[in-house]
Amino acid sequence: TQLLEQSPQFLSIQEGENLTVYCNSSSVFSSLQWYRQEPGEGPVLLVTVVTGGEVKKLKRLTFQFGDARKDSSLHITAAQPGDTGLYLCAGGNDYKLSFGAGTTVTVRA
Amino acid sequence: EAGVTQFPSHSVIEKGQTVTLRCDPISGHDNLYWYRRVMGKEIKFLLHFVKESKQDESGMPNNRFLAERTGGTYSTLKVQPAELEDSGVYFCASSPWDGIEGTEAFFGQGTRLTVV
Repeated sequence: TQLLEQSPQFLSIQEGENLTVYCNSSSVFSSLQWYRQEPGEGPVLLVTVVTGGEVKKLKRLTFQFGDARKDSSLHITAAQPGDTGLYLCAGGNDYKLSFGAGTTVTVRA
Repeated sequence: EAGVTQFPSHSVIEKGQTVTLRCDPISGHDNLYWYRRVMGKEIKFLLHFVKESKQDESGMPNNRFLAERTGGTYSTLKVQPAELEDSGVYFCASSPWDGIEGTEAFFGQGTRLTVV
């Protein structure tokens, strides 16, 4: 069983602060994806990283894939209340995704 | 473009009854997946269709679960008979056929199943 561990489980910060969410595994994945989920909705894909050491930026969000393709991080700069949500990492192999338990991010105005 | 659509959004059934969940994937997506999240746990893979064929059903919990994808379009997931531990949110997802893009899954809003 491929297990992805996310940390922290919960994160509450003030608007304008920065935050980082981590996703670690003992398994190697061909791709690593980050999703964001709102209550009552399904996960929405934010980014896919596939190359070890890869860094992708999406506005204020920066995603990094570890060199060994086992871990990843999501960094949000100057967080806004609209960034509030459940952030999920998922490792992909053979079209199957293995999800982490998620990090609940709350950004207070 | 319409996204992945799931019906119903909520279902409450008694233990021992049968429930059928439906998923309409994004048009043109050959890959269709079922995942579920039970209370307090992470989202877990159930199975993967490529068109109408089951590519991987290694995540199906037991033989009370039956998934079909008639004609390679919509899919159904039937639970018969339902047990209490089947309660959770069932997600359907779809993706294009090939390459890394094939692993980028677009999820439906989920069906919340409660077995009482």
